[in-house]
Parts: sequence; structure tokens; C-alpha cells
Amino acid sequence: EVQLVQSGAEVKKPGESLKISCKGSGFTFASTWIAWVRQKPGKGLEWMGIIYPDDSDTRYSPSFQGQVTMSVDKSTSTANLQWTSLKASDSAMYYCARRVWFGELGGGFDVWGQGTTVTVSS
Amino acid sequence: EIVLTQSPGTLSLSSGERATLSCRASQSVINSYLAWYQQKPGQAPRLLIYGASNRATGIPDRFSGSGSGTDFTLTISRLEPEDFAVYYCHQYGSSPPYTFGQGTKLEIK
Repeated sequence: EVQLVQSGAEVKKPGESLKISCKGSGFTFASTWIAWVRQKPGKGLEWMGIIYPDDSDTRYSPSFQGQVTMSVDKSTSTANLQWTSLKASDSAMYYCARRVWFGELGGGFDVWGQGTTVTVSS
Repeated sequence: EIVLTQSPGTLSLSSGERATLSCRASQSVINSYLAWYQQKPGQAPRLLIYGASNRATGIPDRFSGSGSGTDFTLTISRLEPEDFAVYYCHQYGSSPPYTFGQGTKLEIK
């Protein structure tokens, strides 16, 4: 079964660091773009960026560039999203998603993780 | 950055009716690389349509997408109870960022 399984919910204080993870299985992880999407409570989806595990090529949204770091561990088929200094405004649900591509027809994010809730509060 | 504007913000319809959701881009979406997603409360989004008009695996044929350039439409021909959800369009046609629209909530009338 193709799936992405994310790490569990986190509660942190402002200024703390955090790394959340997304483990893929059932597909060739190294050759599949993995995206991260943020969703604040009651709000819409925000595209954060995307990473290609085979060479760690990473494209960030300008809104998130410098705020987060995306990385991968090919040996464990795991993508990571990390913060060095959390803010209350980082409180949200974070999803990872697999990009499927059909050539000229384009593609989309066909498999999603279950989401990781991050709460940042003093 | 391409901005996607969805309309209406909320659409109130009954089961069996036809739903038409709009997504307008601030500039042309290259190759019609426009997708639609459905999200229900407490769930991750689900891919419905990619490349503006291609249904993803397992998506019922009552869902259809159309459009090109800057104007795209998602149509649900006959609403089923399970179709009431929030719908997002998403473009991935130009260089990143690959933006989402703000969403249309489809609610039961």
C-alpha cells in the first residue's frame, strides 16, 4: 500500500526547535517529489515547498523561505520539516504529500500524510 | 507568484443539484497545470482533477474539470451527500510557489 505516515502531534514553546517527519512506503521514495502544506485552524491550504529526495533539490515558497528547512533521509524514506525557533504563528496542521506526474497531462498530490498538528504556546 | 481566486466562497445546494465552482488565476497557468482537491473536516485533501480536466484514480465521473489560461471550473453534475466539503484549486504551472486558491465551501441547503 502506498502511504505517507507522519509523526505525532507536538506542543512546543516559542523559541524552541522542532523537526517533524513523513515516512513513505509502497513507492520509490527517492524519485518522488514530496511537498509540505500548511493549514491553520479553520483556514485554507498553503503550499510551503517541495523536495526531491534523490538529490535533495528543494523549492521553497517565498513565504516560507528562511522560516523552515526541508530535508530527507533516503535510507529511511523519510522527509523532514524543521524549525529552529518556533513562533505562535507556526501553530497549524502540517501535511506532506506525494506528487504524481503524468507527463504532458501534469499531475498532482495523490497521496497525503495524515497531518501533524503543531501547537506553539507559552 | 500566481494568485488563485475561487468563487463563490460558499455555495449552498441540495443533493441532486449541479455545482459549478470557479477558479481564476492572476496570470495564465502554463500547460493548464491546474488541480482540484476536496477536503472534508478532519481529513487530508483528496486529489480530484489534474491537468485541468483529468480525473484522478477512483474519482466518480460526476466530477469534471474544464478551462485553460486563467479561468477554470470544477463541475459536480449531481451532488451526492458525500460531496459536501471544501474544494481547493491549485496551480503548479510556473516556477514555485505552486499556490492554492482560498477554497469554496460546498454546503447543504
